[in-house]
Formats: sequence, structure tokens, C-alpha cells
Amino acid sequence: AQSVTQPDIHITVSEGASLELRCNYSYGATPYLFWYVQSPGQGLQLLLKYFSGDTLVQGIKGFEAEFKRSQSSFNLRKPSVHWSDAAEYFCAVGTGNTPLVFGKGTRLSVIA
Amino acid sequence: DAGITQSPRHKVTETGTPVTLRCHQTENHRYMYWYRQDPGHGLRLIHYSYGVKDTDKGEVSDGYSVSRSKTEDFLLTLESATSSQTSVYFCAISDPTSSYNEQFFGPGTRLTVL
Repeated sequence: AQSVTQPDIHITVSEGASLELRCNYSYGATPYLFWYVQSPGQGLQLLLKYFSGDTLVQGIKGFEAEFKRSQSSFNLRKPSVHWSDAAEYFCAVGTGNTPLVFGKGTRLSVIA
Repeated sequence: DAGITQSPRHKVTETGTPVTLRCHQTENHRYMYWYRQDPGHGLRLIHYSYGVKDTDKGEVSDGYSVSRSKTEDFLLTLESATSSQTSVYFCAISDPTSSYNEQFFGPGTRLTVL
């Protein structure tokens, strides 16, 4: 069965600092991997996705993620965080033809 | 943004009453899903549908039923609401013919069961 672990429940970063959110997955084959962002009171918005090809993928809002098969990881990064990035971030894994399995989320707080 | 609406957006009801939440899409996507979101649990799949009249259970389906009589509508019913079903409910859609079959989410319905 697929599973996703986001080890950090809550992260606080200073505005302008770099960010890395961790995601580890468990899946037997090559997974489809996704990152979503949820602002307070909103639905989930797709940030980026990966299945194959270049292991560094670019998404919206200046985010990128790197797939590392050897570590079963798909960490999300941003070089310089803005206050508007404060939100909850979800990593998800799928097979391409089944419902996604989501991690429990990481809440990001941004301080001045 | 994907054309997904959920109704109602907020609902307060009493224990034991039936509740139906509606998800409506204008994208003509074949797959639809219902999730619930609770603090500390992330999103958990309740039911999903691969097409009209084709539904299946997710990991937290007890106490919920679904129906899909048209491509555009996916209904979630709580036959007899309980306080443990107080949650935020999200509908999602996906197109299995796309490269990633990524899911797009509606705005959510906040349900409170007193």
C-alpha cells in the first residue's frame, strides 16, 4: 500500500529565508508525486507534480521539488520565502489511475 | 481554476439527522472523490467514483454513502450524522486521460454536527 510521511508538523521560517519541506513515500513502483498548498479557509491548489524525467521539477509560486529515488523522497524547496507563503502544504502519492494518498501536512509560518 | 463547486459551504446540523453534500463540476472529468480533513489527519478518502453509477469505498467510508447519477454531480450522504463527522469535506475531480491524472479540489464544506 502507498503511504506518505511528512515528518514536520509545523515549520517557522523568516521572510526571505530558504525553505525545505520534507516528504517521504512508500510505494513499490515509480510513483506519481504531487505537492499541494492550502491557504486558510481554502481548498487545495496543485503546486507541482512529478512522474518521470528530470528529477528537479519546477512549480508555481517559485517552488521546486527534487525526486530522490534512493531516499524515497520528494522534498519541496523555495529559495526565498514570502509572507504570503504561510499555508499548509501536503505531499501526495498516486499510481496515475487511483486516488491520491496524502501526507498529514506541514504548516508553514513566516515571521518578519 | 477547475470548475468545481460544493454546496452548502457551511452547515450546522444535529446528531441523527441526514445530511447531503453536493459536488458539481463543469470540467466533464470522469473521476470524482470525497475527502474529509481533520486536524492531525490530513486528507482521508471517503468514497470515490470512476464514472456514472460506478463508486467505491475509501479508507473512512463507514457512516457515509455516495451517489453519482450524472457525470457532473457527486453526492455525499450522511444517513444519520454523528459528532465524529464534524469536519471539512472536500470534493476533488481528475481526468484519467491526462498524463498525471492529478486531482483538482473544490472549496470545501464545513460541517458541524451538534
